[in-house]
Amino acid sequence: EVVLTQSPGTLSLSPGERATLSCRASQSVSSTYLAWYQQKPGQAPRLLIYGASSRATGIPDRFSGSGSGTDFSLTINRVEPEDFAVYHCQHSDASASWTFGQGTKVEMK
Amino acid sequence: QVQLVESGGGVVQPGTSLRLSCAASGFTFSIYGMHWVRQAPGKGLEWVAVMSYDGSNINYADSVKGRFTISRDNSKNTLYLQMSSLTTEDSAVYFCVKKAAGGISGPGDLWGQGTLVTVSA
Repeated sequence: EVVLTQSPGTLSLSPGERATLSCRASQSVSSTYLAWYQQKPGQAPRLLIYGASSRATGIPDRFSGSGSGTDFSLTINRVEPEDFAVYHCQHSDASASWTFGQGTKVEMK
Repeated sequence: QVQLVESGGGVVQPGTSLRLSCAASGFTFSIYGMHWVRQAPGKGLEWVAVMSYDGSNINYADSVKGRFTISRDNSKNTLYLQMSSLTTEDSAVYFCVKKAAGGISGPGDLWGQGTLVTVSA
C-alpha cells in the first residue's frame, strides 16, 4: 500500500506570496493517478489537480501541479485570500482504492 | 443541478448499525464509480469504500472490511453504506464522492456535503 507524506504540515504565507506544497509517495506511483484537493473549513474537498498536473474544471491558473515517481508538488502562484485552506494529495491504485496524504494547511501569516 | 446529498448520519451507540444514503442528481449516476470517504473531527481524509458503476467491482479499506457494505441502486440514483459493529473510531463526517470519468482508477470530481456519524455510549 502506498503511503503519501505531505510537507510541511502548515505553511504560513502572506497574500501574494508563492506556496509550494510537497507530497511524497512511499513507492513510485503513476502520475496519472495523483490528484490534489482543496478543503475549506466546514466544506467538502474540491478537486484541484488530476493526473499530477492537469487543472480541474474552473480552477484558476495560479494553481499548478508537477512531479513524477515519488515526488509531487502543488504550487500556488500569488496566494489569494480565498486560497487559505487545507490541501490534500491523493493516489488511486489499480483496484480503485484511494490513499490520502495527511494534508497541508496554508494559513495567513 | 449536479449534486450529491448524503443522509442517515446521527448519534449511535457502539456495536450498533447505521445506513447512510447518498442521493445523486444532475448527472447519469449509473455510469460512474462511487466512493465513500470519511473525515474524523480535525483529522485528514480516509478512504472507506468504492463501487464500480455496475456494482461488479467493490473494494474496502482494511479498517472497515467485514463491517461496512457499499451498495447502489441505479434506478434510484442512490449510493448506500451499511455500517455495522460501529466503534468510536468510526465517528466522522462521511462523504460520498463521484469518480471522475474514465477507467477504474482516478480522482473524485464531485463531493457531497457530508453526513456526521457520532458513535458514543
